Amino acid sequence: ETGVTQSPTHLIKTRGQQVTLRCSSQSGHNTVSWYQQALGQGPQFIFQYYREEENGRGNFPPRFSGLQFPNYSSELNVNALELDDSALYLCASSLVGQPQHFGDGTRLSIL
Amino acid sequence: QQQVKQSPQSLIVQKGGIPIINCAYENTAFDYFPWYQQFPGKGPALLIAIRPDVSEKKEGRFTISFNKSAKQFSLHIMDSQPGDSATYFCAANADSNYQLIWGAGTKLIIKP
Repeated sequence: ETGVTQSPTHLIKTRGQQVTLRCSSQSGHNTVSWYQQALGQGPQFIFQYYREEENGRGNFPPRFSGLQFPNYSSELNVNALELDDSALYLCASSLVGQPQHFGDGTRLSIL
Repeated sequence: QQQVKQSPQSLIVQKGGIPIINCAYENTAFDYFPWYQQFPGKGPALLIAIRPDVSEKKEGRFTISFNKSAKQFSLHIMDSQPGDSATYFCAANADSNYQLIWGAGTKLIIKP
């Protein structure tokens, strides 16, 4: 059984740029959630997708957007990057109502 | 009301000791309480989880104690080993909202 995989593992961008992070869900999982984890803090919920529709959103601005594809892989897009966007971005997949399983994240650094 | 408060921030225990990490919540709609373990450079891994209909759950060396009236839950690690050194997070959510609300984390060091 393949776990959750994320790419790339590390990324460096400058302020104002746009970034796309990718996630491949664990086999059979139809729900994907994205979290932002700042250094030394717990993850903060960005949004969740179920069957290609956004199914809940945390306190993040609209420049954070996502997609879920028919094969349940997912993307997180962030526009107009700010210094505070520097963080570890985590993807988690699950079946509805079941525990979330996390990938190892993408470390995003904004210069 | 959405917060989960976790303590202590850091903890050092001798090998074989029993570290205890505590969490408290306010939102009575929460009905799922997982604990995650995170090693440096890795994503969180689910350790054990509990629902409010039981007061205790054990899986291997890990035990969750749950006090519904006090709105508190804790993680105990029996016979702790240096390999248990990691950051531990408690979390919570409600069935109607699958968003996980996380504690701030506890950095645990087990000394040989």
